[in-house]
Amino acid sequence: EAQVTQNPRYLITVTGKKLTVTCSQNMNHEYMSWYRQDPGLGLRQIYYSMNVEVTDKGDVPEGYKVSRKEKRNFPLILESPSPNQTSLYFCASSLIPRDYEQYFGPGTRLTVT
Amino acid sequence: DQQVKQNSPSLSVQEGRISILNCDYTNSMFDYFLWYKKYPAEGPTFLISISSIKDKNEDGRFTVFLNKSAKHLSLHIVPSQPGDSAVYFCAASDLNAGGTSYGKLTFGQGTILTVHP
Repeated sequence: EAQVTQNPRYLITVTGKKLTVTCSQNMNHEYMSWYRQDPGLGLRQIYYSMNVEVTDKGDVPEGYKVSRKEKRNFPLILESPSPNQTSLYFCASSLIPRDYEQYFGPGTRLTVT
Repeated sequence: DQQVKQNSPSLSVQEGRISILNCDYTNSMFDYFLWYKKYPAEGPTFLISISSIKDKNEDGRFTVFLNKSAKHLSLHIVPSQPGDSAVYFCAASDLNAGGTSYGKLTFGQGTILTVHP
């Protein structure tokens, strides 16, 4: 089954404790992206990757890091989480260059206290 | 600056009637538009799209209309069913964009649709 998986689905953590949210896709997609969803703001892009070892900032990259060492995986790293990073996070993937139908993971709800 | 706006946070309709969800955009470079549907505890799923060379695209009960001069698009669901109750996101893209905008989707805030039996 074609899918994007994320782990964990739910996470409560404290300020400053490094965490990683994993994302994996089994569709051999080149393009992967991270979004955060906040009330009244829709989905905003954090980082994206066009292929292995190629990543770039989206609209709200501050406080986040990513890596793309393998085509299927695109982890999101919060080195020192803060309460304003409490949000619902989605990973997405698609074929490029012109497939804009992105496939989304189920989401990770993160709470930083 | 919100380049894609869905000004109605919620919409409530009766089963069997038409649901109309609206979306406005400000960036004239956008030339491809998509609607995504999201159920609770799931990720958004693609619903329907339209290129700027068209003004209408239909897929079963779902039709998207694009008015380029008004920078406005709408999603019509006819007839509405209780299973259509979800959050609907409008998204836009510039297919010719390069650099940091390559492959980027800009989303609206979402509209919660509730279809009552």
